[in-house]
Amino acid sequence: NAGVTQTPKFQVLKTGQSMTLQCAQDMNHEYMSWYRQDPGMGLRLIHYSVGAGITDQGEVPNGYNVSRSTTEDFPLRLLSAAPSQTSVYFCASSYGQGHGYTFGSGTRLTVV
Amino acid sequence: EDQVTQSPEALRLQEGESSSLNCSYTVSGLRGLFWYRQDPGKGPEFLFTLYSAGEEKEKERLKATLTKKESFLHITAPKPEDSATYLCAVQAGGGSEKLVFGKGTKLTVNP
Repeated sequence: NAGVTQTPKFQVLKTGQSMTLQCAQDMNHEYMSWYRQDPGMGLRLIHYSVGAGITDQGEVPNGYNVSRSTTEDFPLRLLSAAPSQTSVYFCASSYGQGHGYTFGSGTRLTVV
Repeated sequence: EDQVTQSPEALRLQEGESSSLNCSYTVSGLRGLFWYRQDPGKGPEFLFTLYSAGEEKEKERLKATLTKKESFLHITAPKPEDSATYLCAVQAGGGSEKLVFGKGTKLTVNP
């Protein structure tokens, strides 16, 4: 049972480049989220989804897009990378309704 | 605005020396309070969910408790393998799926 799988684990981008961070879960969870973790800031919610075809913005959505075409996959797109998007990104999934979230191992992104 | 404050920021213990971590919160209608453990370079690992004041949950050397304003993570006779950053998060009621995280407590247990 793989849980939540994130790819890539590490990525370096130049300012202005775009890329997609992949996230897949095999637990049949309806709820999925993307967080970023920065030193001294804690984890902050970027976007989330409560089911296939349904997404919504979190606390820090600017510069990111998401879509949810299947229950299993929830990719995060950086439209035009900026140095302020240098961070560690975590994808998480849950049954929702107060159940705990399972987190992936993260993607460490550096924008130069 | 929902807020979570964890204290202390860092804690050093000797093996076997019990202590507690604090998580103070303000939230509009608590749906759940979550404790996670995070090891360096890894994602948070789920430990407990607490739903209402007075609730307690235990797992090995860890025990989490909840009041209307704060939660404690008690660590009894810790071992070096308990060294990690412990994160607290709250989820508000009203259908929100947003978790609001504290900045964490970095625990180091020396042998």
